[in-house]
Order: sequence, then structure tokens, then C-alpha cells
Amino acid sequence: GAGVSQSPSNKVTEKGKDVELRCDPISGHTALYWYRQSLGQGLEFLIYFQGNSAPDKSGLPSDRFSAERTGGSVSTLTIQRTQQEDSAVYLCASSLMTGGWAGANVLTFGAGSRLTVL
Amino acid sequence: AQSVTQPDIHITVSEGASLELRCNYSYGATPYLFWYVQSPGQGLQLLLKYFSGDTLVQGIKGFEAEFKRSQSSFNLRKPSVHWSDAAEYFCAVASNFGNEKLTFGTGTRLTIIP
Repeated sequence: GAGVSQSPSNKVTEKGKDVELRCDPISGHTALYWYRQSLGQGLEFLIYFQGNSAPDKSGLPSDRFSAERTGGSVSTLTIQRTQQEDSAVYLCASSLMTGGWAGANVLTFGAGSRLTVL
Repeated sequence: AQSVTQPDIHITVSEGASLELRCNYSYGATPYLFWYVQSPGQGLQLLLKYFSGDTLVQGIKGFEAEFKRSQSSFNLRKPSVHWSDAAEYFCAVASNFGNEKLTFGTGTRLTIIP
């Protein structure tokens, strides 16, 4: 598509429930990133994908968080047994992967998925 | 590991006045540097980027930034702000190996007063 699409845009869930957040990157972008933005905080890196593999998942805050990407396109971020501290805006971004070309780091962001855990 | 500091959490500027948002980075080699803007309810939009060459880079919406290696800074400037510039501004740094993660600062919220 023309931009990075994320769904749902808003999600309210009860503590302890599992949630799935979806990201559809720009067609042809092989790198995909997940960030978390909490109220009053900057952007916290969670994980990034090159194709379907995740070379860096160092930012996932706990084993309740997982992400996958299939077909080199759509990615799903799953949060199990949600906690109130998981409430945040989850941002997805994609970029071209060209093995070191300077333009590779130019990320295009989606509008985010706002998660509220009650 | 790289890091970014944006020392100003909130800045208020009168419409038509000049603006400078500060950004300091920490990285051992020449970094890739970025400024993004986030308007309320919107995703982040790239304003400008520095990879190499001319240390003064021009971006969209009349913004510019200057890379100063000696000061490890990449401050964002605009000569005359408009009410529509009210937003959150994020500075970010990446390594020069390509396609690694961006590390963001905590952001500066810009308020414009009439």
C-alpha cells in the first residue's frame, strides 16, 4: 500500500487478556520495526525484522511479548497476559533494506495502535 | 551503544519567532541523524536527515538542522514558526552500517502561542 497500515487503531482490553497488533508495511520494504511509545516517554525500540527473521529482538520487555512476520510482509505483535504497564501506543515502521545504503535507515511510520489495559 | 539526548522537554514559542530544538548524540563513529515530527494523533513524519557531506541539511516545512561533530549535536532550526508547527519533535541516531534500529530521544513538545 501507499503507507504503513496498523490495526486496530485503538484497543481496550482487560488485564490478563492476550492482544494482537497488526502491521502492514509499505510494499517492497523488507525491514520492519516495532516501537512502543508510553505517555510522556520517547520511542522505545522493541524488535526489528529483515525479511521474516528478527536479528534484533533485544527491546522486547518480557517473554509475554512476541512478534512474527510472514511472507516478508505483514507482522503481528502479540502481548500475552497483558498488564496495565503495557498500555502505550505501539508504532510500526518499515524501510528499504539495501545492505548498508544510507537510505536504508529512513523509516516510514504507521499511525500506531493505542493499547489500553484496564 | 548509541544514545540521544533532547534536553528540552517542552518549549513555547510565539508564532513568527525563530526556533531551535536541541539534540545531542553519543556514538563512536559518524552517525546517521534524523529529526521526526509527530502531530497529535498522527504517526511520525521524517523532517530531515544527515548521512554525510554538507553539515547543514534542509528539510520539509522550512526546517533545517546542522551537524556539529565537535559538539555531538544536531540541532533543529526554523526561522519563523507557524501555528501548525505545534507538535512533538524527536531526534534519532542510527549506526552507519545500514538498516539497524534508530535510537530516539525522549522528544520535545513544541507549543506555539499567538
